Amino acid sequence: GAVVSQHPSWVICKSGTSVKIECRSLDFQATTMFWYRQFPKQSLMLMATSNEGSKATYEQGVEKDKFLINHASLTLSTLTVTSAHPEDSSFYICSARSPLADTDTQYFGPGTRLTVL
Amino acid sequence: GQNIDQPTEMTATEGAIVQINCTYQTSGFNGLFWYQQHAGEAPTFLSYNVLDGLEEKGRFSSFLSRSKGYSYLLLKELQMKDSASYLCAAMDSNYQLIWGAGTKLIIKP
Repeated sequence: GAVVSQHPSWVICKSGTSVKIECRSLDFQATTMFWYRQFPKQSLMLMATSNEGSKATYEQGVEKDKFLINHASLTLSTLTVTSAHPEDSSFYICSARSPLADTDTQYFGPGTRLTVL
Repeated sequence: GQNIDQPTEMTATEGAIVQINCTYQTSGFNGLFWYQQHAGEAPTFLSYNVLDGLEEKGRFSSFLSRSKGYSYLLLKELQMKDSASYLCAAMDSNYQLIWGAGTKLIIKP
């Protein structure tokens, strides 16, 4: 089946620093990738949708200058949390959609746990 | 390796009961999640089980057997709006989520 990886799995950083999270589709090309944020035992909150080669579409309330998304290739999307603060601490999950699969199918990554001190 | 298995698609009738099974193999275990995802929307949290047994929440119930690496989601009194994909995800010892591919549930009148 389709596999999506994220790197790093865990990251702890100081307040004010920037953190980059990578999302890769390992065995398929993903024209569309999604970035979610999850709080404990809650629904995934969609932050943005990124399409290869174009600017990401951000959901209302998500600061695009703070959460920079780059979808430079068909297998890689990156989320950079700029000037991170403790309130940015969360579990970030990406998913990827394969153009070959059902258009509704998303393959989810294992998540990246960010802790900002 | 780590993996999750759940059926690709299921069909049920409005008003009936359906059980969606999920088996998992993970390195360590920190709980099992069920999510509902309607087309074009973000997954909605349904349940979290970390202890053996059945947890009931209205029309939805979730069951876990840690010794068997098995969980199911039970939906009662099915409604047309329950047509969606149901995702099973297990959390491993590193608190990483291992996702199933999702079960597409089709409800017929």
